[in-house]
Amino acid sequence: DAKTTQPTSMDCAEGRAANLPCNHSTISGNEYVYWYRQIHSQGPQYIIHGLKNNETNEMASLIITEDRKSSTLILPHATLRDTAVYYCIVRLGNQFYFGTGTSLTVIP
Amino acid sequence: EAGVTQSPTHLIKTRGQQATLRCSPISGHTSVYWYQQALGLGLQFLLWYDEGEERNRGNFPPRFSGRQFPNYSSELNVNALELEDSALYLCASSLLNWGYQETQYFGPGTRLLVL
Repeated sequence: DAKTTQPTSMDCAEGRAANLPCNHSTISGNEYVYWYRQIHSQGPQYIIHGLKNNETNEMASLIITEDRKSSTLILPHATLRDTAVYYCIVRLGNQFYFGTGTSLTVIP
Repeated sequence: EAGVTQSPTHLIKTRGQQATLRCSPISGHTSVYWYQQALGLGLQFLLWYDEGEERNRGNFPPRFSGRQFPNYSSELNVNALELEDSALYLCASSLLNWGYQETQYFGPGTRLLVL
């Protein structure tokens, strides 16, 4: 019961922006949206999280819709090193639920 | 600042044996999570420890157990190993702030192979 829905896979050209969507239609008012990525069987790496407002850090931007039912992770200039599985997670209280994620392939 | 560390990196056991996996959290973090990731699958929550107590466990049999030590490091024990226990076991740590978990930071994992 992952609480989120993501496309299974996506491709992105190197240097272009990668936009990864996530649906979380059952999210409640105090639940955060987190994004992690996992590069080939390494430990997941934290990217960004948010509650209501859009967020930006050195890695990515997170756009959350006004109704909070969906969000988009934006990697502004994708590189080959960004090829990974990206997980969108809704934090329910003290529980992080990982789904199966989106496998992003950055193409040269 | 050192991240989450796990040992060993790889572990090979035979069916029926016991495995012990270890995790050291980021300094200052009191919570430790354990996850299992079978090949090609997502992360499945196993156990959560905070301040030495088991706070929650996932849908796994009792032969998966663990503990957290006074220095907040943790052990995961898997008894009576089965072939399907072969997986990457990931540990994460975080702070507990006003009853809510802060961001979890993951270690590199221990790859367990059961023959």
